[in-house]
Amino acid sequence: GAVVSQHPSRVICKSGTSVKIECRSLDFQATTMFWYRQFPKKSLMLMATSNEGSKATYEQGVEKDKFLINHASLTLSTLTVTSAHPEDSSFYICSARVVLGNEQFFGPGTRLTVL
Amino acid sequence: EDKVVQSPLSLVVHEGDTVTLNCSYEVTNFRSLLWYKQEKKAPTFLFMLTSSGIEKKSGRLSSILDKKELFSILNITATQTGDSAIYLCAVERAGNMLTFGGGTRLMVKP
Repeated sequence: GAVVSQHPSRVICKSGTSVKIECRSLDFQATTMFWYRQFPKKSLMLMATSNEGSKATYEQGVEKDKFLINHASLTLSTLTVTSAHPEDSSFYICSARVVLGNEQFFGPGTRLTVL
Repeated sequence: EDKVVQSPLSLVVHEGDTVTLNCSYEVTNFRSLLWYKQEKKAPTFLFMLTSSGIEKKSGRLSSILDKKELFSILNITATQTGDSAIYLCAVERAGNMLTFGGGTRLMVKP
């Protein structure tokens, strides 16, 4: 149980285009999902906390107009990187927290490459 | 299917105890194994292990990788209440893809 999927696993796009990444909890309901970005030296940065049915809470320094997050249901959150630039190239990871729980379950990540 | 399994799921100890957390994996195209500590927000990076048998150490924490038996351990000596957290193991595969384990929740009581 507690499986989180992300789609796509890899995406290559041209500069200026938008890319949508989906995060799904497959066998549980998640009121809260988190979006992370991995930086060099393996550190993970929390970008935003996504709550079902409400606006996402963005961390300081993360542009909400550039990284659009929608949490439309208890099993799906999407991250859209708008007008992507090469510096947005990274590994994006989501995690989902079980309703009434503290555990987070991580997705497999999405590798975004912007040319 | 790639798999990373951590044990135990949770652990309660008293300050001063030593704990050993386990991470076993079955992945294709293994590149490295990472340990993170998660308290509130983003997991904090602890160690990256790529070679078998070489211990990485940082203060009271140490970790080692066994690529033959496909596992890693994270040791914490003289535990403190501040060590209470969820410890995550992740395996990096070729293409910089990560597979996380389910984590071990550690609680250190005074």
